[in-house]
Amino acid sequence: AQSVAQPEDQVNVAEGNPLTVKCTYSVSGNPYLFWYVQYPNRGLQFLLKYITGDNLVKGSYGFEAEFNKSQTSFHLKKPSALVSDSALYFCAVRDAKLYNFNKFYFGSGTKLNVKP
Amino acid sequence: EAQVTQNPRYLITVTGKKLTVTCSQNMNHEYMSWYRQDPGLGLRQIYYSMNVEVTDKGDVPEGYKVSRKEKRNFPLILESPSPNQTSLYFCATLGRGVTYNEQFFGPGTRLTVL
Repeated sequence: AQSVAQPEDQVNVAEGNPLTVKCTYSVSGNPYLFWYVQYPNRGLQFLLKYITGDNLVKGSYGFEAEFNKSQTSFHLKKPSALVSDSALYFCAVRDAKLYNFNKFYFGSGTKLNVKP
Repeated sequence: EAQVTQNPRYLITVTGKKLTVTCSQNMNHEYMSWYRQDPGLGLRQIYYSMNVEVTDKGDVPEGYKVSRKEKRNFPLILESPSPNQTSLYFCATLGRGVTYNEQFFGPGTRLTVL
C-alpha cells in the first residue's frame, strides 16, 4: 500500500543551525516526491519535488531535499534555519504505477519550530 | 492572479443538513482534488477529477460527492453531514508545463458538524 511517514511530530532548532525534517515513503512503482509548507490559517504551498534525475533537489526559500532510493527516504533540509521557517511541513508521494498515478498521499506533518 | 478559491471559509452546521463547499480555479488546470486535513493524520484525498465529467475516489470518499460540470469548478457535496466529517477541507489543482506535478491549494474551509 502507498504511504508516507513523517516520524517526528515536531522539530525544534535554533536560528542559524541546520535543520532536517524526515520523510520515508512506500509505493509500488517509482515515486514522485514532494514537500509542502503550511503557515497558520493558510493553504499548503509547494516547496520542491523529485521526479527523476539528480537525487538532491533544490526548492524555494533555500530548502533542499535528498532522494535516497535504498532507504526510501526524502528528507527536507536547510543549511541555516530562519525564525520565519517555523511552520507545518508535509511530505507527499505520487505513485508512478499507472493504475495509481492519479492519487496523492501525504504524511501526517511535522511542525518546525525555529527559536531565535 | 492565479488562484484557487473556496467558499465558505468557515461553516458550522448540524447533522444531516446538506451542504456544498465550492472550489473555483482560474488557471485552466484539468486536474482538481479535494482533501481533508485532520490532526495526526495529515491530508487525505477524498475525490479527484482528471477533467470535466471525469471524477474518481480518493482514499476517503465515504459520505462525500463531487461533480465537475465545468473545468473551473469542483464542488464538494455532503448530502448528510455527520460529526466525523468535522475537519479542515482543501481544494487543489495540479499544474501543467513547468509546474507539472505541483499542486496549488485553496485557503481551506473549516467545517464543524454538530
